[in-house]
Amino acid sequence: GQQVMQIPQYQHVQEGEDFTTYCNSSTTLSNIQWYKQRPGGHPVFLIQLVKSGEVKKQKRLTFQFGEAKKNSSLHITATQTTDVGTYFCAGVTGANNLFFGTGTRLTVIP
Amino acid sequence: DGGITQSPKYLFRKEGQNVTLSCEQNLNHDAMYWYRQDPGQGLRLIYYSQIVNDFQKGDIAEGYSVSREKKESFPLTVTSAQKNPTAFYLCASSMYDEQYFGPGTRLTVT
Repeated sequence: GQQVMQIPQYQHVQEGEDFTTYCNSSTTLSNIQWYKQRPGGHPVFLIQLVKSGEVKKQKRLTFQFGEAKKNSSLHITATQTTDVGTYFCAGVTGANNLFFGTGTRLTVIP
Repeated sequence: DGGITQSPKYLFRKEGQNVTLSCEQNLNHDAMYWYRQDPGQGLRLIYYSQIVNDFQKGDIAEGYSVSREKKESFPLTVTSAQKNPTAFYLCASSMYDEQYFGPGTRLTVT
């Protein structure tokens, strides 16, 4: 069945360091979404990538979609304490079903 | 304000009792979803509905039931048949791709 794996599961970084989470799908995706869930909160949509090889930036966040549309990454430059939370990727298949990754929990040490 | 509401925020029940979680949205979205989140884990799809009076099982539907009598409402019943009901339950809605999440209900069954 469809699987979306994310690594690492946990990441602790010193404030100011960079952070990257990777997402891999077992099948080709039509698009991929990224969500952020703050501790005690609910997931909030960040961005959607549709095109093969697409790169999008939101301030210190850079999102990439692989050429084969089976993997994606989220990179945060110079992390801040406000970046703490769990980051989820969610792959969308041709049948328009959404499969959430397992998430990467980011801790930023001041 | 438009959004999704879930109530209550915290819910406690005794084992063997059915319990219904509320989810209401005023975003005029056609699709609604229920997810379960366990500590340190991702989101697992329980049920979803793409239109009124129609719903489909997700990955972990056993022990749960839903109804979609109105566009705005998608209540989830956790039945006594659900073996491990204690979890954080998230409701979401969408019009196209992006999903909007409610604040969640944390259910504890003892």
